[in-house]
Amino acid sequence: QVQLQESGPGLVKPSETLSLTCTVSGGSISNDYWTWIRQPPGKGLEWIGDIYYSGSTNYNPSLQSRVTISLDTSKNQISLKLSSVTPADTAVYYCARNKYELLTGYRLDVWGPGTTVTVSS
Amino acid sequence: SELTQDPAVSVALGQTVRITCLGDGLRSYFANWYQQKPGQAPVLVIYGKNNRPSGIPDRFSASSSGNTASLTITGAQAEDEADYYCNARGSSGDFWVFGGGTKLTVL
Repeated sequence: QVQLQESGPGLVKPSETLSLTCTVSGGSISNDYWTWIRQPPGKGLEWIGDIYYSGSTNYNPSLQSRVTISLDTSKNQISLKLSSVTPADTAVYYCARNKYELLTGYRLDVWGPGTTVTVSS
Repeated sequence: SELTQDPAVSVALGQTVRITCLGDGLRSYFANWYQQKPGQAPVLVIYGKNNRPSGIPDRFSASSSGNTASLTITGAQAEDEADYYCNARGSSGDFWVFGGGTKLTVL
């Protein structure tokens, strides 16, 4: 049973870089896409980007200039960096596995519990 | 957002409700559907054409026509009260988008 756990600072100052880690347990990060999603307080879900185990990435066009997603296969971890943050980046950040099957396509089938990040001085 | 959902829908207990998701990308890609209850991470309820993960009741089903995807709950239960999000590839195919979410109230 694959489980995900996000971790990182809960408070980040404006203009600094937000850094989060998603640790995968119960399985390998190989052969799947790994996705970051966020949810501002009281608002909907926003897809941030994803990374394939090969290292190829896709980003939300609205965040692309500030986002970097990487992975560490030796530690079974996926990382998110978001630069030049503002209070608008305050959100719960989730990581999720985007699993692919030939007949059914992709779906976000396993989610971490999320971690709250507040951007404030 | 490239996917549009009604902000709120209500249904009487035991009745049937349809939650819709509109977007041009849905002409090419199926939507996946997620249920989110307060303070919890989203949970996948429908994926692909009309597939339910293990543990999801069969009262949840999906359909699609043209630019519209729909999630139907047949015989809504009190525990179905939640926010529901559709999710599909964006029009260019190399990124994903979520709908704005629909808050379902079971009366």
